[in-house]
Amino acid sequence: EVQLVESGGGLVQPGGSLRLSCAASGFTFSSYSMNWVRQAPGKGLEWVSYISSSSSPIYYADSVKGRFTVSRDNAKNSLYLQMNSLRDEDTAVYYCARSVASGSQMIGYWGQGTLVTVSS
Amino acid sequence: QLVLTQSPSASASLGASVKLTCTLSSGHSSYAIAWHQQQPEKGPRYLMKLNIDGSHNKGDGIPDRFSGSSSGAERYLTISSLQSEDEADYYCQTWGTGLWVFGGGTKLTVL
Repeated sequence: EVQLVESGGGLVQPGGSLRLSCAASGFTFSSYSMNWVRQAPGKGLEWVSYISSSSSPIYYADSVKGRFTVSRDNAKNSLYLQMNSLRDEDTAVYYCARSVASGSQMIGYWGQGTLVTVSS
Repeated sequence: QLVLTQSPSASASLGASVKLTCTLSSGHSSYAIAWHQQQPEKGPRYLMKLNIDGSHNKGDGIPDRFSGSSSGAERYLTISSLQSEDEADYYCQTWGTGLWVFGGGTKLTVL
């Protein structure tokens, strides 16, 4: 069974940093591309970042480019999102998501999310 | 610009059928999309991939009550024999080079 478990969320002040993690199990992590998607309170889904199975290419939404960095450790079956220079509008539940199949760009599996709150 | 447009809300009675629509922006009518369901207070769940020809591949454990179809730039999700647990937000999603896009979502109310 595919399992994606996010962690690392919490309360952080504007301008601060946070590192999210996503622990993957139930599949060969190194064979799949991954995404981070977020959802602000009461709002819809917003794509944040993509990383291929080999860590190249990597893409970011314009709203986070230059502030967020996605990475992965295939030996540890883990995905990360380093978030710097956080703003109020980054407050959201952050979901880790896996592609539906190896080589596919389609999002097919989701974690349960971790809440990031940016507030002074 | 790659954009997906969804109606904000829809409603249908218990046991009835409902058809939700996702419209691709001009110039992108050949794109495949995915449908995702988000029940209240839960993470999203992948329902299916839907191609321009209407063929679709459903996710693990998705009931036969859920089906997809296409017409031009429009992609549809039909839910038949509505159940109370189908009350949820439904999002369509697609991707281009270096960009993943979600529609604004449709909130489905089961009456």
